[in-house]
Amino acid sequence: ETGVTQSPTHLIKTRGQQVTLRCSSQSGHNTVSWYQQALGQGPQFIFQYYREEENGRGNFPPRFSGLQFPNYSSELNVNALELDDSALYLCASSLAEGAGYTFGSGTRLTVV
Amino acid sequence: GESVGLHLPTLSVQEGDNSIINCAYSNSASDYFIWYKQESGKGPQFIIDIRSNMDKRQGQRVTVLLNKTVKHLSLQIAATQPGDSAVYFCAGKHTGNQFYFGTGTSLTVIP
Repeated sequence: ETGVTQSPTHLIKTRGQQVTLRCSSQSGHNTVSWYQQALGQGPQFIFQYYREEENGRGNFPPRFSGLQFPNYSSELNVNALELDDSALYLCASSLAEGAGYTFGSGTRLTVV
Repeated sequence: GESVGLHLPTLSVQEGDNSIINCAYSNSASDYFIWYKQESGKGPQFIIDIRSNMDKRQGQRVTVLLNKTVKHLSLQIAATQPGDSAVYFCAGKHTGNQFYFGTGTSLTVIP
């Protein structure tokens, strides 16, 4: 059984650029959530996808968007990057909505 | 909304001692809680969960206690080992699908 895998592990982007982060969910998990974790803080919920539909969203602007594919893998897209977007982006999968997560190791995004 | 906070940002314990990490939450409707462990450079790792219809749950060397009256939960680690050194987060959920995480407690185990 594979866990949650994220790519890339590290990324440096320039302010104003766009970025796409990728996540493969744990085998058998149909729900994917994305979290942003700033340095020294707890993860903050961005949104969740279930059966390819957005199924809950946190307090993030529309320039944060996502997709879930039929194989339950997912992408997080961030447009018009700002310096404050620098963070660890975590993908988590679960068997059902509201169930406990399995997290990936994250993508460390640095915006310069 | 919900806010979840840990009482102490750092905790140091001697190897072999028991550790207690505390967490308070604000929303009395929160019905599900999870403790996570995060090591440097890794994502959070599930430790143990508890639903609001319980007040105690035990795992291997870990116990979670939930006091709904004062909206407090704690994680107890028995016989703390160097490998337990990490940042510990509590996360709570009430409505919807998002978990609210605290800011974390950094546990250091002194050999």
